[in-house]
Amino acid sequence: GAVVSQHPSWVICKSGTSVKIECRSLDFQATTMFWYRQFPKQSLMLMATSNEGSKATYEQGVEKDKFLINHASLTLSTLTVTSAHPEDSSFYICSASGTSSYNEQFFGPGTRLTVL
Amino acid sequence: GQNIDQPTEMTATEGAIVQINCTYQTSGFNGLFWYQQHAGEAPTFLSYNVLDGLEEKGRFSSFLSRSKGYSYLLLKELQMKDSASYLCAVLDSNYQLIWGAGTKLIIKP
Repeated sequence: GAVVSQHPSWVICKSGTSVKIECRSLDFQATTMFWYRQFPKQSLMLMATSNEGSKATYEQGVEKDKFLINHASLTLSTLTVTSAHPEDSSFYICSASGTSSYNEQFFGPGTRLTVL
Repeated sequence: GQNIDQPTEMTATEGAIVQINCTYQTSGFNGLFWYQQHAGEAPTFLSYNVLDGLEEKGRFSSFLSRSKGYSYLLLKELQMKDSASYLCAVLDSNYQLIWGAGTKLIIKP
């Protein structure tokens, strides 16, 4: 159990375009979803935390107008990178929690974004 | 501030045992996680400790000492597929996961 999917797995886009990444919990209801980005050879960096039906909480330094997060249901959260630039190229990973008493996070497979 | 320390890189031999240490200073403590992450993939859950002591799960064991702010992940009978990064993460008083930078483990034949 506790499977999280992400779509797309990888995306290449032109600078200035917007990209939407979906994160779905397939077999459980995720009360909280997290969005991370990871640059090569670096650890995970939490971007934002979202609870179903409420606004996301962004980490310091993360532009909420650039990284739009929507958590419309208990099984779906989306991250939209608006007006993407090459420096936004990264590995974006979502995780979801809600099934265990100790708030274990279940990770999606990640989305590799390349902005040309 | 909150801080999690673990070695950047370790090397071990196939079939041997390796211990990856993690020390932490966080605002509150609600448990410590170990995750495994292969290159280009998302992390996968290995273990969770909230009480002092050793938790054994097959070839992997995880130890916690809350008074010392210390944990280790022990990997036995190392296999080549164990080459990966191992991430230590602590759940703080706000139930937010604080991540270490990860330890890259290199297994040599």
